[in-house]
Amino acid sequence: GAVVSQHPSWVICKSGTSVKIECRSLDFQATTMFWYRQFPKQSLMLMATSNEGSKATYEQGVEKDKFLINHASLTLSTLTVTSAHPEDSSFYICSAPRGIYEQYFGPGTRLTVT
Amino acid sequence: AQSVTQPDIHITVSEGASLELRCNYSYGATPYLFWYVQSPGQGLQLLLKYFSGDTLVQGIKGFEAEFKRSQSSFNLRKPSVHWSDAAEYFCAVGPYSGGGADGLTFGKGTHLIIQP
Repeated sequence: GAVVSQHPSWVICKSGTSVKIECRSLDFQATTMFWYRQFPKQSLMLMATSNEGSKATYEQGVEKDKFLINHASLTLSTLTVTSAHPEDSSFYICSAPRGIYEQYFGPGTRLTVT
Repeated sequence: AQSVTQPDIHITVSEGASLELRCNYSYGATPYLFWYVQSPGQGLQLLLKYFSGDTLVQGIKGFEAEFKRSQSSFNLRKPSVHWSDAAEYFCAVGPYSGGGADGLTFGKGTHLIIQP
């Protein structure tokens, strides 16, 4: 079946630094990918839609200058958390659609900002 | 705005017993409905989905769900749970867009605990 990978699976960074998270579709192409954020014991919240060849679209309340998204190719989207702060610590999950409204989710990246 | 409510945060079931996880949605049009399972260290796995047609949907791992439009519900069921079913379960809704790509709205999840 279709597989989506994320790298890294876990990252710790210091406050004020930037962190890049990669999302790859391993055996299919995805012109669109989605980025979600999940707080402990909480639901997944859609942050933004990554579009190959155009700008990402962000959900209301998500700071686009803080969460930079680049859809570098048909199999790769990256999320960069800029000037990270402890409140950005969270679990970030990407997904890529394939077929008739089927989305494949990556395993997630746990970000801890100290 | 669309929303999904999973009223049970935790559910404990004995192995071999039946299971029902509740999901209610609010959506102004015809929704796509999904159930996903999340295990530690693994991505969300799709159990089943409903677009239209037969309101009783069969999924993987012996799960099924029934869409009830009058109750705005999409409850997940399994007749006999196994210890390996212990995980977090999420109900989600998406807009009807003819198979196009749209982000999903998730419920807060139900943590399923299996007692031996």
